[in-house]
Amino acid sequence: EGQLLESGGGWEQPGGSLRLSCSASGFIFSSYAMSWVRQAPGRGLEWVSTINEYDETYYADSVKGRFTISRDNSRNTLYLQMNIVRAEDAAIYFCAKKLPYITLDVWGPGTTVTVSS
Amino acid sequence: DIQMTQSPSSLSASVGDRVTITCRASQDIYSSLAWYQQKPGKAPKLLIYASSRLESGVPSRFSGSGSETDYTLTISSLQPEDIATYYCQYYSRTILSFGGGSKVEIK
Repeated sequence: EGQLLESGGGWEQPGGSLRLSCSASGFIFSSYAMSWVRQAPGRGLEWVSTINEYDETYYADSVKGRFTISRDNSRNTLYLQMNIVRAEDAAIYFCAKKLPYITLDVWGPGTTVTVSS
Repeated sequence: DIQMTQSPSSLSASVGDRVTITCRASQDIYSSLAWYQQKPGKAPKLLIYASSRLESGVPSRFSGSGSETDYTLTISSLQPEDIATYYCQYYSRTILSFGGGSKVEIK
């Protein structure tokens, strides 16, 4: 089934940049699409981005043009480069593994991003 | 974009009660519907996918049904460990869309 562990969260001021990482183990990382999902404090879940096994990428409108998802299959690691961050980007960011033709079955514990001046 | 609307946003029920949560899609999603359980401070856990298929290891008191635009999650006999927020989710090859969540509490 596998395990995921996010890192890279922290504090950033509006307009700044952060890079999140997600380390995968226990499954063939290169064979699966991977996604980022976030949850603002006290709010619901919001899909952020997905990258498939062919490196095709998809983004929510709220982050398109500011965030970039990527993967390094040699390191079994997923990334989310967050540029021009806004206060509304503050959230717990989860990475998750996506089953073919289905949905997210394995999630990491999340990493917290705080954006304030 | 496909919007997912859940109801109720919260509910209170007694142990042993049957609990039902509904989810409506803004257009036909052809049963590409999953349900997640999230407990405070934890990542979401997949319960059901393809509208009615139970994820391995999930107790049989959880069930899902529905088609086209209307879907339902049922807990047949609420247990104390079921206290959580439940989310429906539309999934496709390219995008995902979550409902707003339904918080389940014990009366």
